Amino acid sequence: DAGVIQSPRHEVTEMGQEVTLRCKPISGHDYLFWYRQTMMRGLELLIYFNNNVPIDDSGMPEDRFSAKMPNASFSTLKIQPSEPRDSAVYFCASSLIAGGEQYFGPGTRLTVT
Amino acid sequence: KQEVTQIPAALSVPEGENLVLNCSFTDSAIYNLQWFRQDPGKGLTSLLLIQSSQREQTSGRLNASLDKSSGRSTLYIAASQPGDSATYLCAVINNQGGKLIFGQGTELSVKP
Repeated sequence: DAGVIQSPRHEVTEMGQEVTLRCKPISGHDYLFWYRQTMMRGLELLIYFNNNVPIDDSGMPEDRFSAKMPNASFSTLKIQPSEPRDSAVYFCASSLIAGGEQYFGPGTRLTVT
Repeated sequence: KQEVTQIPAALSVPEGENLVLNCSFTDSAIYNLQWFRQDPGKGLTSLLLIQSSQREQTSGRLNASLDKSSGRSTLYIAASQPGDSATYLCAVINNQGGKLIFGQGTELSVKP
């Protein structure tokens, strides 16, 4: 398997623009997670899905953030409008079973100027 | 609220040394604990996962132990190599299917 795939790897955008991050989980994994990593706060969960259904979105910072999982092989994280404080590395991860080992993608480094 | 702490924040050792990285968590009611490695500018690589009912897991030169009652886990690296240089992250899941709660990591440097 190719592992968790994320795109783009790097994104630079101006404040106020819409940003869409994409993730393809490992085939057959029922759980998909979006995390954000910053120097100040470390790694934090934003949202996770089970069988395409959002289960816990308590980590989503505010209404500017939204995530979807239209099918088992694709998820998006959207920020609209983006702000400089959204600059971070965004990771997608997936796991086969509840509470199982999580496998991470390479991340998307987002810079908002 | 679960909090995960890793000590030390940074560690530098000469090649060949055996070393121990520490992880502590405030709520002992965890489902499992996972150790990761992160290279600069890269994603996370899963090293070991320990279920709450287990005491340790081994993979090659790595051995991770878990003491739920005291809220501690250690990652033991035997015969360290320069290629082991990376940041090591500990994370716990409080309940089945739930999110990983991460420590801030230990940045390891192994000098040749």
